[in-house]
Amino acid sequence: NAGVTQTPKFQVLKTGQSMTLQCAQDMNHNSMYWYRQDPGMGLRLIYYSASEGTTDKGEVPNGYNVSRLNKREFSLRLESAAPSQTSVYFCASSDGTVYPNEQFFGPGTRLTVL
Amino acid sequence: SQKIEQNSEALNIQEGKTATLTCNYTNYSPAYLQWYRQDPGRGPVFLLLIRENEKEKRKERLKVTFDTTLKQSLFHITASQPADSATYLCARPYGNNRLAFGKGNQVVVIP
Repeated sequence: NAGVTQTPKFQVLKTGQSMTLQCAQDMNHNSMYWYRQDPGMGLRLIYYSASEGTTDKGEVPNGYNVSRLNKREFSLRLESAAPSQTSVYFCASSDGTVYPNEQFFGPGTRLTVL
Repeated sequence: SQKIEQNSEALNIQEGKTATLTCNYTNYSPAYLQWYRQDPGRGPVFLLLIRENEKEKRKERLKVTFDTTLKQSLFHITASQPADSATYLCARPYGNNRLAFGKGNQVVVIP
């Protein structure tokens, strides 16, 4: 099993450009998450999906949109990138049917917005 | 606010000694806490979960305690090794199956 995979690993954008970060999990998990991690700020939740077809805003959703394409895939879109969105982005998944349960993280996408 | 706090200073420790990290929470009583390890350039990896009615949990050289009176969890790495050098994150549950993470505590084990 690959677990949680993310693409791309690295990306450089110019201010105003758009891009989509892809995430997929092969563990048949119901819940999926997008976090950003900044120095001194820790992991902050951007969006959350409890199940296919549902999404909820997290702590820092402004400037982002998400799509839960199916049970496996959860994408994060930046419509008009800003330098403040320079960060490392992590996707995670969890079972969601068992309480409590741990989260499984992908390797991350390092994004720089110039 | 319902904060979860970890000491932001790096912990430098000699190989073979016990490293102890602290996770403090305020203004709520979590049903459980989770601990994760994160290596540079990688995603966090789950280590241990401890419930509020459990005083202590162990996994190999790792030990976690949960003191609801002090509103604190301690994370111990016994007989530390250079391979234990990493950042360790504490997390509390909230909402529907979500976690709020502390900022993490870096451990450096010196050979």
